[in-house]
Amino acid sequence: DVKVTQSSRYLVKRTGEKVFLECVQDMDHENMFWYRQDPGLGLRLIYFSYDVKMKEKGDIPEGYSVSREKKERFSLILESASTNQTSMYLCASSLWDRGRDTQYFGPGTRLTVL
Amino acid sequence: SQKIEQNSEALNIQEGKTATLTCNYTNYSPAYLQWYRQDPGRGPVFLLLIRENEKEKRKERLKVTFDTTLKQSLFHITASQPADSATYLCALITSYDKVIFGPGTSLSVIP
Repeated sequence: DVKVTQSSRYLVKRTGEKVFLECVQDMDHENMFWYRQDPGLGLRLIYFSYDVKMKEKGDIPEGYSVSREKKERFSLILESASTNQTSMYLCASSLWDRGRDTQYFGPGTRLTVL
Repeated sequence: SQKIEQNSEALNIQEGKTATLTCNYTNYSPAYLQWYRQDPGRGPVFLLLIRENEKEKRKERLKVTFDTTLKQSLFHITASQPADSATYLCALITSYDKVIFGPGTSLSVIP
């Protein structure tokens, strides 16, 4: 079974802090994604990566950056956390073709920014 | 503007009945449509994929239809069980590989 793990289930940070969210997948997938999920808005794509060191902006990249130094690991960075970044963050991976393949999701990180 | 909507935020049905969830979209040209299940505190789990040229897809008690004329997909769970209670998300994949998720419908199956 594909396993996608995220470094923390719950995280509380203060405004202005730098925040790192880590995601690891164990199935040698090419593509990895970061989403945020807010009530009534569905999942919104922040960034995705289709190969090591490659990244593309999603729909809401402002205030975020990403890093993919190894195929299995995709990190989301909040350079200076703000209260409007309080959300559920979900990482996903897929084998082929960005969205055309099934995406496998991690359990999510509930981030609260005070 | 482009939009995906899923029917009423919450749906309550009696155990044993068929649950029908809707996913409506505007101003997209979908190549595929996926349905996911999400339990509280967990990430979504893939259930079914249907292509634009397919009318219907089945998997055990699940059935998905896709009508590109009506711009709608219906997701049916027959003989529903309390264990089917969850949030169900539809996801459109456009012909240029963009993935757009709907807001989800929360289903409660009452014993």
